[in-house]
Amino acid sequence: EPEVTQTPSHQVTQMGQEVILRCVPISNHLYFYWYRQILGQKVEFLVSFYNNEISEKSEIFDDQFSVERPDGSNFTLKIRSTKLEDSAMYFCASSSLAGGWNEQFFGPGTRLTVL
Amino acid sequence: LAKTTQPISMDSYEGQEVNITCSHNNIATNDYITWYQQFPSQGPRFIIQGYKTKVTNEVASLFIPADRKSSTLSLPRVSLSDTAVYYCLVGDGNTPLVFGKGTRLSVIA
Repeated sequence: EPEVTQTPSHQVTQMGQEVILRCVPISNHLYFYWYRQILGQKVEFLVSFYNNEISEKSEIFDDQFSVERPDGSNFTLKIRSTKLEDSAMYFCASSSLAGGWNEQFFGPGTRLTVL
Repeated sequence: LAKTTQPISMDSYEGQEVNITCSHNNIATNDYITWYQQFPSQGPRFIIQGYKTKVTNEVASLFIPADRKSSTLSLPRVSLSDTAVYYCLVGDGNTPLVFGKGTRLSVIA
């Protein structure tokens, strides 16, 4: 069964450093998403991406965040200057159809720890 | 966006049927009801989606009354591996998924 993959599974970084989280969505999917979940809290939407541009973003997704689809398979989330409060699980998701209410397939997540 | 309310936690013994009810009093005409499951340290996983009446798949059933102000996720004969957080989400497909705190289901042997 096709699945979304994410690398690395765990990233530790120093405050102020840039990090890039990588995702490989399911191959025939066209819609891509990033979510985050701070330990013990809700899953929060960050951004959606379609046709090489951002479709929607939340208030969390400020100028420190960016997304890119550098080639036909990868989808990345970059945090320019990490803060302690960026420590969270980051989940990538993809779907084949428009809208958030068709099934979104989530990856296993990257645990980001900012020291 | 319709607000959802579901129990914070539930306990069940193995082999029992579990019903988790979600209230969504201000659901809009175009909204669908979707349930996701999340195991610890994993991403959410789609379980089932419906608009009205009853939907069943190999994992669960979803019951939606005529007024659509609530829905019930039914898990038949749960096992220890069904221990997870279950999220009820309501929306029309034009807004991102908004997760609440969900219902933490603990299955006991």
